[in-house]
Amino acid sequence: DTGVSQDPRHKITKRGQNVTFRCDPISEHNRLYWYRQTLGQGPEFLTYFQNEAQLEKSRLLSDRFSAERPKGSFSTLEIQRTEQGDSAMYLCASSLMTYEQYFGPGTRLTVT
Amino acid sequence: EDQVTQSPEALRLQEGESSSLNCSYTVSGLRGLFWYRQDPGKGPEFLFTLYSAGEEKEKERLKATLTKKESFLHITAPKPEDSATYLCAVQAYSGGGADGLTFGKGTHLIIQP
Repeated sequence: DTGVSQDPRHKITKRGQNVTFRCDPISEHNRLYWYRQTLGQGPEFLTYFQNEAQLEKSRLLSDRFSAERPKGSFSTLEIQRTEQGDSAMYLCASSLMTYEQYFGPGTRLTVT
Repeated sequence: EDQVTQSPEALRLQEGESSSLNCSYTVSGLRGLFWYRQDPGKGPEFLFTLYSAGEEKEKERLKATLTKKESFLHITAPKPEDSATYLCAVQAYSGGGADGLTFGKGTHLIIQP
């Protein structure tokens, strides 16, 4: 069991640029989640997939954010036209059905 | 709207000094309550899941308990390596089958040698 992996671990971008993050879940897990965490706060839920279907989106997920999980394996989260308020740690988690979620190490995004 | 409040925000203990962290929650229907540990710059590490009032789980120096309104994480004779932020989260039943966790802000625990 290699755990959840995320790439890149750190990303610095200029305001207005697009960025894409990747998450590889634990291999047998069918559910994949994206969260965002800012300093001093707990993670905030963004969206989740069951296999390749995106089943829920938080109101935090603006139109500039899009997530995909082709073939129910890895997932990507894209942010278009980044803003300084997008600076945060983006966390991915996976689970087997409704059981406990296991988190990856996160991608730290800094928008300058 | 589901809410989770953790207290205290920060706690400094001497090595061996036992204490408890509190997690109060408001949720329409509780599917599960989760405790995670998070070290600086890392993702949360799963500790426990509790499903019903009266349930208890233990792991090394940690014990988690659950009532209908709150959960406690008891730390017995802590060591410096127990220093971390401890996060509480709830997962609610909903008509849409929502599975996203609602987290509290965490308790930042420091254990001094």
